[in-house]
Amino acid sequence: AQSVAQPEDQVNVAEGNPLTVKCTYSVSGNPYLFWYVQYPNRGLQFLLKYITGDNLVKGSYGFEAEFNKSQTSFHLKKPSALVSDSALYFCAVRDAGSSNTGKLIFGQGTTLQVKP
Amino acid sequence: DGGITQSPKYLFRKEGQNVTLSCEQNLNHDAMYWYRQDPGQGLRLIYYSQIVNDFQKGDIAEGYSVSREKKESFPLTVTSAQKNPTAFYLCASSIVTGDIQYFGAGTRLSVL
Repeated sequence: AQSVAQPEDQVNVAEGNPLTVKCTYSVSGNPYLFWYVQYPNRGLQFLLKYITGDNLVKGSYGFEAEFNKSQTSFHLKKPSALVSDSALYFCAVRDAGSSNTGKLIFGQGTTLQVKP
Repeated sequence: DGGITQSPKYLFRKEGQNVTLSCEQNLNHDAMYWYRQDPGQGLRLIYYSQIVNDFQKGDIAEGYSVSREKKESFPLTVTSAQKNPTAFYLCASSIVTGDIQYFGAGTRLSVL
């Protein structure tokens, strides 16, 4: 069965410092991985995805994520955090070779708090 | 949230009442989804539709119903059988199932 885990409910970081939001996954085949961000009382916005190729994926708003197959991880990173990055972040996965409909499985979400 | 419109933004349900949440997209996407979001539980899939006139149950379909008569529309009805309907409901669409999903702004449903 597919699953995704975000081990931290909340991450706190000072503005200007690097940030990391962790995600680990489990699929039977090759993964398709996604990161989304949600601001209060809004829908989710797509940040980036990994399908294949380069393990370092660059996305919107200066975010990037590193795919690590041996550790089954897809951590979200940003070199210098902004207060405006404070939001709820979701990791999602699907099995690339799944014979089902290819539904996305979402993690529980991690709240990122960037303090000035 | 561009391209996907959810209405209303806030909705109140009386006990025993069915209510319908609207979701419309102008992205020409084949696939559409409904999720329920509760604090600390992430997103849970209620129903999804891969193509018009077709839909499948997600992980928590009990107490909900949907229709997909038009490509651009995927309304969700919360029936009286759903005993704990208070939540934030999100609609999404994608070009095909499993691709990047684009979300609406959500509907917050509360019980009176």
